[in-house]
Amino acid sequence: AQSVTQLDSHVSVSEGTPVLLRCNYSSSYSPSLFWYVQHPNKGLQLLLKYTSAATLVKGINGFEAEFKKSETSFHLTKPSAHMSDAAEYFCVVILRDNYGQNFVFGPGTRLSVLP
Amino acid sequence: DGGITQSPKYLFRKEGQNVTLSCEQNLNHDAMYWYRQDPGQGLRLIYYSQIVNDFQKGDIAEGYSVSREKKESFPLTVTSAQKNPTAFYLCASTGSQYSNQPQHFGDGTRLSIL
Repeated sequence: AQSVTQLDSHVSVSEGTPVLLRCNYSSSYSPSLFWYVQHPNKGLQLLLKYTSAATLVKGINGFEAEFKKSETSFHLTKPSAHMSDAAEYFCVVILRDNYGQNFVFGPGTRLSVLP
Repeated sequence: DGGITQSPKYLFRKEGQNVTLSCEQNLNHDAMYWYRQDPGQGLRLIYYSQIVNDFQKGDIAEGYSVSREKKESFPLTVTSAQKNPTAFYLCASTGSQYSNQPQHFGDGTRLSIL
């Protein structure tokens, strides 16, 4: 079985300080992993993806994530938070079955950015 | 620009009424998905379709129905059997059955009970 755990339901940082959003997965094989951001009343926007290429993945808006197989982690980071980063963030892993592929979503982490 | 269009943005349902949410994509994607999102919660899969004229139930399909008559379109009907339909509904698509690529999302439809 595959699952995704986001260890923090809410993270609060000050503007200009680093952001760390944690994601751990369980998978029986090398997974494909993604981070999405969701602003209020909007759809999900892809931040970055890992599909078994480089383990350090750079995404949009200054975000990056590192795939660590030994720790089964895919944590999202940003060196300096901006007010516009306040949103909900979802870590996602691909699950494959006889019908194709489905996407397993973590429960989400709400990021607050304080002035 | 290619993308996914969901309409309407806001929808109200009366008791005993069926309502249909529209999802159209011009990305030439084979696979399409419907999710439900409740306040402060993650996404739950309602239905998905990997190819035209075929679809599968997700985790919470009861009270919902779908069709996939065209590649571009995957409408979701919320039937009167769905007793708690108030939620934010998101449609997504991805290239193919085993594309290993991320989903693209629409901007959602917020459904409320009158």
